[in-house]
Amino acid sequence: DGGITQSPKYLFRKEGQNVTLSCEQNLNHDAMYWYRQDPGQGLRLIYYSQIVNDFQKGDIAEGYSVSREKKESFPLTVTSAQKNPTAFYLCATAKGGHLSGANVLTFGAGSRLTVL
Amino acid sequence: GNSVTQMEGPVTLSEEAFLTINCTYTATGYPSLFWYVQYPGEGLQLLLKATKADDKGSNKGFEATYRKETTSFHLEKGSVQVSDSAVYFCALRTNYGQNFVFGPGTRLSVLP
Repeated sequence: DGGITQSPKYLFRKEGQNVTLSCEQNLNHDAMYWYRQDPGQGLRLIYYSQIVNDFQKGDIAEGYSVSREKKESFPLTVTSAQKNPTAFYLCATAKGGHLSGANVLTFGAGSRLTVL
Repeated sequence: GNSVTQMEGPVTLSEEAFLTINCTYTATGYPSLFWYVQYPGEGLQLLLKATKADDKGSNKGFEATYRKETTSFHLEKGSVQVSDSAVYFCALRTNYGQNFVFGPGTRLSVLP
């Protein structure tokens, strides 16, 4: 079945450590996104990528980094520079280019990061 | 800039009650509008969408009509079930934009 796989589902990190969240998709979608979700808040965009080897900062990119070496994969690294990293992280994909008005986002199941 | 406002809740209803969750938006151009639903511990799932004025999106008994004159996209269901308990997000995407803009979400609890 086509879909988006995020791993790990739960992750604990000590302060000062970098962690990488995995996002893999077999939908053959061009665009991939990372969102952060905090309790009682909407989704905030961290990074997005429309094509391989290209990505753009979203609204809250500071303290995060990404890569897009393959169409199927868009890992997110939460660095020690991120001051408040405890959150629920959601990966999403969209078919076609970003200029398509009919695009919808398909989401993975999410990864919950807790900093101890 | 583009933004989405929705009632934050929580909304608590009895089973079989009528549901309305209000959503209004601010956007340049002609956005596409969406409702997503999030069940506990899961990612978001697309519930319904509308891409132009007066379109009605519908799915699983939920409906929403794109009202350009009032910049609204209110979600309705005639008879809610306990299984509808979740968080509902209204969102928009402009035709020339690069990203989606989400509202803060509305938590719905349906009691038996």
